[in-house]
Formats: sequence, C-alpha cells, structure tokens
Amino acid sequence: GAVVSQHPSWVICKSGTSVKIECRSLDFQATTMFWYRQFPKQSLMLMATSNEGSKATYEQGVEKDKFLINHASLTLSTLTVTSAHPEDSSFYICSATRASPLAYEQYFGPGTRLTVT
Amino acid sequence: AQTVTQSQPEMSVQEAETVTLSCTYDTSENNYYLFWYKQPPSRQMILVIRQEAYKQQNATENRFSVNFQKAAKSFSLKISDSQLGDTAMYFCAFGASGSRLTFGEGTQLTVNP
Repeated sequence: GAVVSQHPSWVICKSGTSVKIECRSLDFQATTMFWYRQFPKQSLMLMATSNEGSKATYEQGVEKDKFLINHASLTLSTLTVTSAHPEDSSFYICSATRASPLAYEQYFGPGTRLTVT
Repeated sequence: AQTVTQSQPEMSVQEAETVTLSCTYDTSENNYYLFWYKQPPSRQMILVIRQEAYKQQNATENRFSVNFQKAAKSFSLKISDSQLGDTAMYFCAFGASGSRLTFGEGTQLTVNP
C-alpha cells in the first residue's frame, strides 16, 4: 500500500509555455503533499507543502506565481510551471503523507523529468 | 532549523563486503525521526530504514542496520553483504513535527563485482 504516482514521467516543452505535473495517492488519502526539485547529482530541495483545500506553503526563494500548486482533493495535487524557461529544467518529485499508520512517513512518487527547450 | 550532513560524497565497496555510510544532524527537537532513503538510477526514492528518536534500540531491516547515537546526533547506515543492486545514491533525512523532511547532500555508493 501507500503508492504515489506522477504524470507525466517526462515532458519537454518550449520556453514560455506552461506545463502541469500531477501527483496522485492511489490507495490512500493524503493528509499533506510535498513538492521537491532535484538537480543532477544533488539532493532534494523542498519547494512547497500543500494540504487539501488550502493554499500551499512555499519555501523561501520559490516563486509562488511561477510554480502554482493546486491541491483540489485528498488524492490529487498538481504543480504548474508557468512561463517555463530552460533554467526550470529539472527533476520534480512529489510525496505524500497519510493520517495513519506512520503519519510522519512520506511516500514518494517516481518523479517527473522536465526539459525546457 | 535542522541540518543534515553527509560527509562522504562517494563510496565504493566490493560485492559481499560491508560498508558504513555516515550521517550527522543538528536539531533542538526532542521528538523526531530519522530515515535513510535509496535513490537508484531510476530516481525513485525508496525507504531503506527508519528510526524513531525515542527508541534506544537501533533499527534493522535485513542487511541494513543503523547506529543511532542520539547524544552525538549521529545516524550511520551499515549495509552488510553488499549486492550490485545496492548501487545508488543514499540520502539521510530528518523529520520532526509536520512531517517535513530535511535531506542530507547524499552519498553515491557503488558496489563493485
């Protein structure tokens, strides 16, 4: 149990366009979802935390108008990269927690590779 | 704020041998959790082992075990009988209230045949 999916797994978009990444908890209701960004050979950097029906909490330095997060249901969160530029090319990973058991544990999606040309 | 430090960017080990990955952390929290995650080339994050800070006994999961030294704020991972499939990036992570995680910089482990 506790499976998290992401879609798409890989997306290429042109500079200036927007792209949406979906994160779904498949077999549980997620209390909280997290969005991370990971550059090659680096660690995961938390971008934002979101709860269903609430505005996302963004980490310092993350542009909330550029990285739009919508958490419309207990099983779905979306990250939209608006007006994407080549420097936004990265690997984006979502994770989710559930109420029980082990409410502190995060379950990770497989990630989405974004390439902006 | 919490910090997590992994001082070994890269390590290698021969197949079937034992290797230990180091992790230290800094926090003022008393109740927290520590994790080791594995990220193979597929980049899927896989939980290797978890430790609750209130538990004195070191966690073990088959070939994986930890040495948790709470006073020293140290949390090392020992992999016994290393296998080729253990080749991956390993991240140490700290979690406290709110389930937010702080990750270390990672250690790239290569298991050689």
